[in-house]
Amino acid sequence: SAVISQKPSRDICQRGTSLTIQCQVDSQVTMMFWYRQQPGQSLTLIATANQGSEATYESGFVIDKFPISRPNLTFSTLTVSNMSPEDSSIYLCSVEGGENTEAFFGQGTRLTVV
Amino acid sequence: GENVEQHPSTLSVQEGDSAVIKCTYSDSASNYFPWYKQELGKRPQLIIDIRSNVGEKKDQRIAVTLNKTAKHFSLHITETQPEDSAVYFCAASGSARQLTFGSGTQLTVLP
Repeated sequence: SAVISQKPSRDICQRGTSLTIQCQVDSQVTMMFWYRQQPGQSLTLIATANQGSEATYESGFVIDKFPISRPNLTFSTLTVSNMSPEDSSIYLCSVEGGENTEAFFGQGTRLTVV
Repeated sequence: GENVEQHPSTLSVQEGDSAVIKCTYSDSASNYFPWYKQELGKRPQLIIDIRSNVGEKKDQRIAVTLNKTAKHFSLHITETQPEDSAVYFCAASGSARQLTFGSGTQLTVLP
């Protein structure tokens, strides 16, 4: 199973600022995903981080707000830009173990925007 | 895209009783159906999964059933214990390989 290190684990940020979340995996993986979990809600896919090309965003999420980098097969970052209180959520990175196998999650980043 | 519906949203059972959570999905191309348990403040953890070529899978007190024709799958927990109390999420995945999650079920096991 993949070991995922995600940081920071939590942060409190001022509105209007940006936060970059890092996700490091202990092995090369093809698929990396970023999810958002709003308080008391389910997980919603933000985007698929593609190595060597632009991320693929889901409906309702745009690159200007959530720029993503994927410089290699073990690392990705998600930036939450120009934050507002509505961005307060848990952000989770995820990798797939293989085609149609378990998805492993990072420990999550609990973001509070004040 | 895929849409996954999950019921009930909350479920309370007495310790030792069984709990059943049901999910339906919309995309007939989905072929992988995991269930996650999320305890407060923690990441989702896989508890069991099933693939579309299997109708039922069991792991000790946990079982999952899949009805491809009806496009629904269910989680069954027998002999529930207080430590089973958590939020449970179903999910579905197809060729795009990202997961679409259900809305979650808060399970409370009463001692």
